[in-house]
Amino acid sequence: AQSVAQPEDQVNVAEGNPLTVKCTYSVSGNPYLFWYVQYPNRGLQFLLKYITGDNLVKGSYGFEAEFNKSQTSFHLKKPSALVSDSALYFCAVRDSSNTGKLIFGQGTTLQVKP
Amino acid sequence: KAGVTQTPRYLIKTRGQQVTLSCSPISGHRSVSWYQQTPGQGLQFLFEYFSETQRNKGNFPGRFSGRQFSNSRSEMNVSTLELGDSALYLCASSLAGQGIHEQYFGPGTRLTVT
Repeated sequence: AQSVAQPEDQVNVAEGNPLTVKCTYSVSGNPYLFWYVQYPNRGLQFLLKYITGDNLVKGSYGFEAEFNKSQTSFHLKKPSALVSDSALYFCAVRDSSNTGKLIFGQGTTLQVKP
Repeated sequence: KAGVTQTPRYLIKTRGQQVTLSCSPISGHRSVSWYQQTPGQGLQFLFEYFSETQRNKGNFPGRFSGRQFSNSRSEMNVSTLELGDSALYLCASSLAGQGIHEQYFGPGTRLTVT
């Protein structure tokens, strides 16, 4: 069965410092991976996706993610964190059923302090 | 382009009642998926519709149902509401067809069952 794990419930980082939000996955077949962000009382916003190709994927708002097949990881990164990046981040994998079903991790709260 | 819209945004219902939630996808998007978000269970897939047909279904009881209309708009219905159905219900739309397409989420409908 496909699954996604986000090992950290919360990540704290100072503004201006680099940030990493971790994600590991388990899939049968090719991994199609996504990162989403959720602000309070809002829906999820798409940040980036990995389908194939370059292991470093660039996305919205300066975020990028590094795909590592041997470690089955897809960590979200940003070189310099902003206070406005504080939100709930979800990693997801598309189900192997070849439909629109996404399987989400439990989410990581990112807190960026001034 | 307008984003995914969901109505109503907030709903309070009594146990045993039924409820219908509505979702209008982004113009041109033919796939609509529904998710339930709760603090305890996180984000869980309910079902996906494409071309008015249910393409995939999550592990929810039959009280949860949905449909899609010819204009791709979708509704989900929950009958005989239980307290545990209190959640944020998110609708997402995506392009269909060839390729791996990201989903775009609406703001959600917050359902409270008393």
